Amino acid sequence: GAVVSQHPSRVICKSGTSVKIECRSLDFQATTMFWYRQFPKQSLMLMATSNEGSKATYEQGVEKDKFLINHASLTLSTLTVTSAHPEDSSFYICSASSGVSSGANVLTFGAGSRLTVL
Amino acid sequence: GQSLEQPSEVTAVEGAIVQINCTYQTSGFYGLSWYQQHDGGAPTFLSYNALDGLEETGRFSSFLSRSDSYGYLLLQELQMKDSASYFCAVKTGRRALTFGSGTRLQVQP
Repeated sequence: GAVVSQHPSRVICKSGTSVKIECRSLDFQATTMFWYRQFPKQSLMLMATSNEGSKATYEQGVEKDKFLINHASLTLSTLTVTSAHPEDSSFYICSASSGVSSGANVLTFGAGSRLTVL
Repeated sequence: GQSLEQPSEVTAVEGAIVQINCTYQTSGFYGLSWYQQHDGGAPTFLSYNALDGLEETGRFSSFLSRSDSYGYLLLQELQMKDSASYFCAVKTGRRALTFGSGTRLQVQP
């Protein structure tokens, strides 16, 4: 089946530094990937849609200059949290559309990256 | 926009049947999906309904009523490993999914 690899799984950084998270589709090409953020015991909130070869589309309220997204190839999207602050601490999960199952647009998710900003 | 409502928590015992409800409001409807997420893990796809009625996949079934903007996930023969969060979701026009608030299921011995 479709696999999405996400790295790192955990990262701890100091306030003011930047952190890059990678998301790779291992056995399929993904022209579009989605970045979600999830706070403890809460739902997944869509942050942005990453489009291969073009600019990402950000959801309302998400700062594009703070959360930089690059989708340089059909198998790799990166999310960079710039000048991270403690309130950016969260679980970041990427996903890609891995095909259709009985008409459903199935999303395959990476294992997530837990960011802790000290 | 989209909004989906689910109960926050459900508790049941092993071997029982549990139903997790989802009501939604969407500006356009492309079907209702269900995902399972264990603590600290990635959400995984469970089921999908585009049309009214019941879809069965092993111990899990999902139901949809488009006229009522309502669906549910039915889990039968509960096992301890079913303890997880369950999310209903609808697709947006850009193929992303909007997720419900999530239901935390705790299965007790």
